[in-house]
Amino acid sequence: ETGVTQSPTHLIKTRGQQVTLRCSSQSGHNTVSWYQQALGQGPQFIFQYYREEENGRGNFPPRFSGLQFPNYSSELNVNALELDDSALYLCASFFELLTDTQYFGPGTRLTVL
Amino acid sequence: KQEVTQIPAALSVPEGENLVLNCSFTDSAIYNLQWFRQDPGKGLTSLLLIQSSQREQTSGRLNASLDKSSGRSTLYIAASQPGDSATYLCAVDKAAGNKLTFGGGTRVLVKP
Repeated sequence: ETGVTQSPTHLIKTRGQQVTLRCSSQSGHNTVSWYQQALGQGPQFIFQYYREEENGRGNFPPRFSGLQFPNYSSELNVNALELDDSALYLCASFFELLTDTQYFGPGTRLTVL
Repeated sequence: KQEVTQIPAALSVPEGENLVLNCSFTDSAIYNLQWFRQDPGKGLTSLLLIQSSQREQTSGRLNASLDKSSGRSTLYIAASQPGDSATYLCAVDKAAGNKLTFGGGTRVLVKP
C-alpha cells in the first residue's frame, strides 16, 4: 500500500455528463500528477499540481481540469464526457519537484456509455 | 515529441526462465528512466529507477540497463516465478518533476 487513495473505485457515466475524481495524497506530499490509462495502453500524463498551482499539462483538452486543495488532496474534473474518456485514471503523489520517487494510487475506472 | 515503445506486447514463459523486456525511446535527452509493475486493474509499483548518468540498476532478481545514446533500456528478471505475472511498463522523464512518458507495456505470464 502506498498511502495514496482514490475515489470512487469505479464509475459509470453517459456521454455529455461531467465527472469528478478524487485523490488523497500520501501524508506530507505536496505534488500530485494525474494520468489517463486506456485499456491495453500505458498511462498518459494529464497534468500536475504543485502547492495548489498547475505545474505542467499534457496533450489533453481544456475540458480536463483539476484542483489541489490546501491539504494537498486533489480533484480531476472532466466535462462533456466522450466515449474515449473511458479509462483508468491514476494519480501519483510525491514531495517537492526534485524527488524522483512518486507513489501511485489504485486508480478510478471510468466507463462512459 | 518523446515516444516510448515496448516490445513484445505480451510474453509467456515457463517458471524458472529468465525474462528479458525491452524498452526504446526516441529522444535521448532524458533525466531518468523507470520500470514499473502493474497488476490487473491496479496502480503502478516502481521497480527500478535509472538516472541518465547511470548504466544499470539492480534490485534482487531484477536488473535494468540503460543505453541512452541508442535510446534503449532492458529489464531482466532472473528465475521467473508465477508471482512475476503482471504488466511491466517503462517510463522516461525529460526533466526532474515526474512528468512521465510511458510505453505501452509488456504483459508477462509465467506458467507454473
